[in-house]
Amino acid sequence: EAQVTQNPRYLITVTGKKLTVTCSQNMNHEYMSWYRQDPGLGLRQIYYSMNVEVTDKGDVPEGYKVSRKEKRNFPLILESPSPNQTSLYFCASSLSWTRPGRTSHNEQFFGPGTRLTVL
Amino acid sequence: GQNIDQPTEMTATEGAIVQINCTYQTSGFNGLFWYQQHAGEAPTFLSYNVLDGLEEKGRFSSFLSRSKGYSYLLLKELQMKDSASYLCAVRDRADSWGKLQFGAGTQVVVTP
Repeated sequence: EAQVTQNPRYLITVTGKKLTVTCSQNMNHEYMSWYRQDPGLGLRQIYYSMNVEVTDKGDVPEGYKVSRKEKRNFPLILESPSPNQTSLYFCASSLSWTRPGRTSHNEQFFGPGTRLTVL
Repeated sequence: GQNIDQPTEMTATEGAIVQINCTYQTSGFNGLFWYQQHAGEAPTFLSYNVLDGLEEKGRFSSFLSRSKGYSYLLLKELQMKDSASYLCAVRDRADSWGKLQFGAGTQVVVTP
């Protein structure tokens, strides 16, 4: 089954304790992205990756790191989590991001979400 | 970046039609997306417009006018399961090719 998976789905942690949220897709997608969703603010992009070894900042990258060593995986790393990073996180992927005229290339598939609480 | 505005909430009756408007400002428009998100779930793709005009997909249609910075999502023959948040998102290649910005979402409540 074609899907985007995230782990863990729920996590409660404490300030300063490094954590990684994994994201994996099995659709051979080039483009992957991380978002956080907070009430009243909608989805905000943290980082994205156009392909392997190519990553770039979204609108809210502070406090986060990512890597894209292989096509299927795009982990989100919080080196020193703080309470303001408490949020719902979504990973998403699409076939590519370089053919704006083709809907099939631009449709983003989202993972189920990770609800993170930092105390 | 770009401002993306959409109404916070809309209420409609089962079987009716609802139109959700989205206005945006970009310097290098390169595509507009609509997503549906049920409470507690991930967003799911509804439509993508990059050229002016209407795209129809079953009960859902999306319209784009690039010159006006305006789009709408039309939901026909509303069903109870259409109660959800609808997200408008815009890509601006002048900002960064890979960036995508979302509006805050429109909560649609369908009543019997």
